[in-house]
Amino acid sequence: QKEVEQNSGPLSVPEGAIASLNCTYSDRGSQSFFWYRQYSGKSPELIMSIYSNGDKEDGRFTAQLNKASQYVSLLIRDSQPSDSATYLCAVKGLRNSGNTPLVFGKGTRLSVIA
Amino acid sequence: NAGVTQTPKFRILKIGQSMTLQCTQDMNHNYMYWYRQDPGMGLKLIYYSVGAGITDKGEVPNGYNVSRSTTEDFPLRLELAAPSQTSVYFCASSYQGAPSNYFGPGTRLTVL
Repeated sequence: QKEVEQNSGPLSVPEGAIASLNCTYSDRGSQSFFWYRQYSGKSPELIMSIYSNGDKEDGRFTAQLNKASQYVSLLIRDSQPSDSATYLCAVKGLRNSGNTPLVFGKGTRLSVIA
Repeated sequence: NAGVTQTPKFRILKIGQSMTLQCTQDMNHNYMYWYRQDPGMGLKLIYYSVGAGITDKGEVPNGYNVSRSTTEDFPLRLELAAPSQTSVYFCASSYQGAPSNYFGPGTRLTVL
């Protein structure tokens, strides 16, 4: 059973601070890793993807991947109240017959306090 | 492009009733997915399809059926609604091998 684990939160940070969101996964064969943001009552939207070990930066967002530790994280710099949402970690594997669908974590609720 | 559209947006069913959730995408994606999301939980895959005529079970398929007769449409059928099927249902699509899913706006279903 492939599992993706996240702390459900809520994680509260003051405006302007760095928010750090963490995710662990059980399947060592996982190849691709994604972060989705989901506002209350809305559908998820992809904000970051990462495929190799290390850091990937996109604006105020940095995704970090450590495959040896089976750990992926998302850092949000200069957090804004508009970043308040649930962040879903998703992991994608690869099997012989083709790509496997995404496996999602339960999400971490982030609250940025003005 | 309209992207991924879902109907209805909201529905209340009585126990034992049946219904079909509609999903259509106009991006010519060959992969389509149905997820359910319970309150405070992540997304769980119900069924997915890698092309017209091909479907496969996800993590939580019991109580649901799907069909994929065209590239554009991927309806989800509930035959005998149960309270445990109260959830928000998201349809999604992607290109083969693409890293991301394009999500529809969701259908909020309540079974009483």
